[in-house]
Amino acid sequence: KNEVEQSPQNLTAQEGEFITINCSYSVGISALHWLQQHPGGGIVSLFMLSSGKKKHGRLIATINIQEKHSSLHITASHPRDSAVYICAVVGGGADGLTFGKGTHLIIQP
Amino acid sequence: NAGVTQTPKFRVLKTGQSMTLLCAQDMNHEYMYWYRQDPGMGLRLIHYSVGEGTTAKGEVPDGYNVSRLKKQNFLLGLESAAPSQTSVYFCASSRTTYEQYFGPGTRLTVT
Repeated sequence: KNEVEQSPQNLTAQEGEFITINCSYSVGISALHWLQQHPGGGIVSLFMLSSGKKKHGRLIATINIQEKHSSLHITASHPRDSAVYICAVVGGGADGLTFGKGTHLIIQP
Repeated sequence: NAGVTQTPKFRVLKTGQSMTLLCAQDMNHEYMYWYRQDPGMGLRLIHYSVGEGTTAKGEVPDGYNVSRLKKQNFLLGLESAAPSQTSVYFCASSRTTYEQYFGPGTRLTVT
C-alpha cells in the first residue's frame, strides 16, 4: 500500500506570500493529482502530472518521480486560495487513488 | 450534464437506524467509489465498483454495504448506524483509474 505524506498539515500565511506544499509517497506511481477542497465544498482536481512541471495561473505543480516527491506552489497568494489541498497518487489498480491527509491553508488579508 | 450528484446532502440518524446514500453520474463512467472523510484522516475508500453489477471492498468497508444495479448509480447502505459512522461521505466516478470526479458530499451525523 502506498503511503502518502503531506507537509505541512496546517499553514497560515499573509496575502502575497509564496506558498509551498509538499507530498511524498513510498511506492512508484503512474501519476499524481493535486486536489483542492474549499470549506464545506466539493473536491476538484487542480493538476494531474506524471513528470516535470505544470502551471495554471498562480499555481505550479512539480514532480520528481525518482525521489517520489511532488510540490504544489502558489505565487502571490490570496485569501480565496484558503482551502485544503490534497495530494493523491495513482497506483494503477482498480481501487483508484491513494490520498494524503491534506494541508489546511489559510491566507490572511 | 450534472456530473456526479449525491442524495441527501445532510442527514441526522439515531444509533441503530438504517439509511441509503445515493450517488448518480451521467458521464457513462465505469468506475465508481465511496469514500469517507474524517478530520485528520483524509479520504478513505469504503467500497468501489469497476462496472455495473460489480462491487469490491476498500480500506474501511465494515458496517457498510453497496450495490451497483445500474451503471449510473452506486448506493451506499448503513444497516445499523453507529456514532463512529459520523462523517462526510463522498462519491466519485471515473472513466479510467487515473482520475476521479467527485460529488458534493453528504454530511451524516449519527447520535
